[in-house]
Parts: sequence; C-alpha cells; structure tokens
Amino acid sequence: AQSVTQLGSHVSVSEGALVLLRCNYSSSVPPYLFWYVQYPNQGLQLLLKYTTGATLVKGINGFEAEFKKSETSFHLTKPSAHMSDAAEYFCAVSESGSNYQLIWGAGTKLIIKP
Amino acid sequence: KAGVTQTPRYLIKTRGQQVTLSCSPISGHRSVSWYQQTPGQGLQFLFEYFSETQRNKGNFPGRFSGRQFSNSRSEMNVSTLELGDSALYLCASSLVSMNTEAFFGQGTRLTVV
Repeated sequence: AQSVTQLGSHVSVSEGALVLLRCNYSSSVPPYLFWYVQYPNQGLQLLLKYTTGATLVKGINGFEAEFKKSETSFHLTKPSAHMSDAAEYFCAVSESGSNYQLIWGAGTKLIIKP
Repeated sequence: KAGVTQTPRYLIKTRGQQVTLSCSPISGHRSVSWYQQTPGQGLQFLFEYFSETQRNKGNFPGRFSGRQFSNSRSEMNVSTLELGDSALYLCASSLVSMNTEAFFGQGTRLTVV
C-alpha cells in the first residue's frame, strides 16, 4: 500500500532562513505528487504539484519542490522564510491511473521565528 | 469565481444526536470529497462523490454517510454521534478527480459534548 512520510511534525526556522520540509513516499509506479498548505482555521490550498515532465516544480509564494525518483522524495523548499509562511504543510501522493484518491502525509507545522 | 462553501462553520452537538453538513463545490466541479481532520489522526478520507455516485470510500463506520445532488452540492451525515467524532470536516471539490487540483472549503468544526 502507498504511504507518505513527512519527517518532523514541527519545523522551526528563523525569518529569512531556508525552509526545507521533507516528504518521502512509497509507490510502485510513477506517482502524482502534491504539496498543500493550511493556514489556521482555513481549508487546504494547493502549493504545487508534480505529474510528469520537469522534476523541479515551482509553486506559489516562492515555494518549489523536486521529484527525485531514486530517493522517492518530494521535498519542499523556499530560499527565505517569511512570517506569513507559518502554517501546516501536507504532502500527498496519488498513483497515476489509480482510483484518483490522494494518500496524505501527517503534516508538518512550520514555525517562523522572528 | 466563488470558492467551496461549507455550512455551518461551527456546530455543537450532543452524543447520540445526528448531524448533517453541507458543501457547495465550485461551479462546474463534479467531484466532491470529504475529509475528517483531527490533531491525532491528521487528514482521514471519508468518501468521494462524482456525478451523484459514490466513487470512493474510506474506512469509516456506516454512521458516516453522504450524498451528492444533481447540482453537485454534497451533504454528509453522521448518526449516533460519539465524542470521538469531534473534528474539522473538510470538503474538497475538483473538476474531475483529486488527481487534478482540489479546492478545499474552510471546513465545519464539529464538537460533540
């Protein structure tokens, strides 16, 4: 069965520092990969997704992620953290041709220190 | 365009009661999925409806049910509420499937006392 592992339930970085949120998945076929963000008391919003093609994907708010098949990873990065990035981030995976559902990671809460 | 609308935003119910939550998807979206979100369990998939038919179902007891209407609006119902049903219930809509971009509502915060 597919699974998604997000390393670290909480990640704390200083404002202006690099943000790195880790996501590893298990999948027997090339997957679709997603990062969603959830701000307090809000629903989830798509940050970026990988389906096919270029393995470095750029998303909204300056975030990007790189699909590394050999490492089964899809880590999310942002060069310089901003206070407004404080939120919970979810990684999700769906195998192409599957029953369309997403398998979700447990989420990582990003804390930005001033 | 209008986003996904969930009503009500907050709800307090007593154990044993039943509750109905509503979700209006983005116009033109035919797929509606429901999730339960709790601090301990994260995002748990309840079910997905597409063109009025349940297409996928998660591992929840039969007390959790849903339906979708011809205008794609969806409702979920929880009968015989338990304290453990207290959660944020999220609805997501997409054009065809969650493999494309899904748009989430703000959720309904259900508290069972």
